[in-house]
Amino acid sequence: AQKITQTQPGMFVQEKEAVTLDCTYDTSDPSYGLFWYKQPSSGEMIFLIYQGSYDQQNATEGRYSLNFQKARKSANLVISASQLGDSAMYFCAMSPRSGGSYIPTFGRGTSLIVHP
Amino acid sequence: GAVVSQHPSRVICKSGTSVKIECRSLDFQATTMFWYRQFPKQSLMLMATSNEGSKATYEQGVEKDKFLINHASLTLSTLTVTSAHPEDSSFYICSASVGRSTEAFFGQGTRLTVV
Repeated sequence: AQKITQTQPGMFVQEKEAVTLDCTYDTSDPSYGLFWYKQPSSGEMIFLIYQGSYDQQNATEGRYSLNFQKARKSANLVISASQLGDSAMYFCAMSPRSGGSYIPTFGRGTSLIVHP
Repeated sequence: GAVVSQHPSRVICKSGTSVKIECRSLDFQATTMFWYRQFPKQSLMLMATSNEGSKATYEQGVEKDKFLINHASLTLSTLTVTSAHPEDSSFYICSASVGRSTEAFFGQGTRLTVV
């Protein structure tokens, strides 16, 4: 079984600053994927970034980057140059690669508030 | 990215009635669809996984007779909450993926209130 831990229930950051959202995971599967999703107050889940367990380089997508430290089993999300629209819940998720498809298990989430 | 449309976005129903929620992939064929339930300020809990043309696989603790899932085509999956009770009130959200894709596309979610 896999487990995702997000220890920060809430985070505050000033606009234009960078912020790191923590995520650790536990799995015995050798092949897995790590995901980050954003959920604004409207409820929809927005895919942000993906990291494969065998990827050599950390994933980046625009202002989002994933600080993947495999030995420590951590997959922190870094948001650079925060914007007011970044205020939302952020979920880390993990899935073993099973049968060629992913079924993510989600962490409890971190609420991010960006101050002007 | 691909679009998944979930309908309705909000529904209020009386206790004892059934409610159907639709999840459609608009511009791709979804080989697998997932249904999640989310309580306020909590994480998403996977309820079931459905593959087109076959029975859904339910997670432990999810009543399959209570939450009926049908994945009749590659673009449509439905979740029917049967004989709804106030404790079924929650946010339900679907997602869809294609084959070996690493990305799951989420619908907008449905907020169900049972009164």
